[in-house]
Amino acid sequence: DAGVTQSPTHLIKTRGQQVTLRCSPKSGHDTVSWYQQALGQGPQFIFQYYEEEERQRGNFPDRFSGHQFPNYSSELNVNALLLGDSALYLCASSLAGRGGETQYFGPGTRLLVL
Amino acid sequence: DQQVKQNSPSLSVQEGRISILNCDYTNSMFDYFLWYKKYPAEGPTFLISISSIKDKNEDGRFTVFLNKSAKHLSLHIVPSQPGDSAVYFCAVNYGGATNKLIFGTGTLLAVQP
Repeated sequence: DAGVTQSPTHLIKTRGQQVTLRCSPKSGHDTVSWYQQALGQGPQFIFQYYEEEERQRGNFPDRFSGHQFPNYSSELNVNALLLGDSALYLCASSLAGRGGETQYFGPGTRLLVL
Repeated sequence: DQQVKQNSPSLSVQEGRISILNCDYTNSMFDYFLWYKKYPAEGPTFLISISSIKDKNEDGRFTVFLNKSAKHLSLHIVPSQPGDSAVYFCAVNYGGATNKLIFGTGTLLAVQP
């Protein structure tokens, strides 16, 4: 049973560029959430996708956008990269329901913006 | 404004002893509480959870206690093992249709052999 997978594992970009990160959820899961973890901090919620729609969004600018595909996989896009976007980006999957269901995380993509 | 606080950035414990990690939250509407463990270069791994209708949940060496009146959550690890050395995050959510997690800043646990 495959867990949550993310690609790439590491990425280096320069300011102003755009980046796309990818996530495949755990088998049987239909909901994907994205988090940003800065150094020394806990993960911060970016947004959540369910049935190919953004269901909830955290306090992140419109430069952060996403997509969910019919097979439940998801992409996170960040435009006009800033130095402060350097972080570990985590994808988590879960099964939609009452809301208490546990989210399972992938290994993350470490993004460095120079 | 931090809604979830882990006031101890680090904790050192001898192998075989009890590790107690603490977490405080501000909003009584939180419905579900989780603990995750994170090793370097890996994503957070789910450990144990508890819903707001309970005050204790146990899974092997891990027990989570919830004190709703104090808005306090704790994770007990007994006995502690060197492999438990990692960063531990508590996380909460409101429940309902979406389950956005709000995380604390983490506690680095070091279990000394």
